[in-house]
Amino acid sequence: GAGVSQSPSNKVTEKGKDVELRCDPISGHTALYWYRQRLGQGLEFLIYFQGNSAPDKSGLPSDRFSAERTGESVSTLTIQRTQQEDSAVYLCASRQGGNQPQHFGDGTRLSIL
Amino acid sequence: AQSVTQLGSHVSVSEGALVLLRCNYSSSVPPYLFWYVQYPNQGLQLLLKYTSAATLVKGINGFEAEFKKSETSFHLTKPSAHMSDAAEYFCAVRVYNQGGKLIFGQGTELSVKP
Repeated sequence: GAGVSQSPSNKVTEKGKDVELRCDPISGHTALYWYRQRLGQGLEFLIYFQGNSAPDKSGLPSDRFSAERTGESVSTLTIQRTQQEDSAVYLCASRQGGNQPQHFGDGTRLSIL
Repeated sequence: AQSVTQLGSHVSVSEGALVLLRCNYSSSVPPYLFWYVQYPNQGLQLLLKYTSAATLVKGINGFEAEFKKSETSFHLTKPSAHMSDAAEYFCAVRVYNQGGKLIFGQGTELSVKP
């Protein structure tokens, strides 16, 4: 497809388990972003990848959160030892560069029991 | 530091009425500003963007926004609301020199009454 693809669309897991969320950006988009959206709130920046540069991890809330991206392709966001406050929608976006806007996926809705 | 503030977490209008969603920004450099719309269980869709060209920006679905430096505002308007406009709307500012990272407002939920 032509858009940003995220999987799974929904994830329910028990507190303490690890989860891995996947993002497939639009082909040719060099920049990739992860955001967290808690219920009824705006989006919080988590992490940003640009090509082969070191990622900007300044938004990651704790060391339980990590993300990887290989080149300009798929990215995975991993949350270890999940807590109930991690329950949120995790949105991925990609961008071509320059003044181009970010294009968002439909998100992964994560629920921690 | 840059930020955006959306005034009103919930706006309700009648079908056919004017839509006005307010966004004020704070930025020490000329800002790049965006409005996104989010329908239930979906990601964000770009409505329009301001990148220092024309101050009146036209977007999709009949929406437009005017950049007013003197008022540090970027309010979103639509002359006549449609039922399909009911959604969450987010204003965002691009963080200067940080790779296109966006800072979002808290969002405004728009309800449209028949």
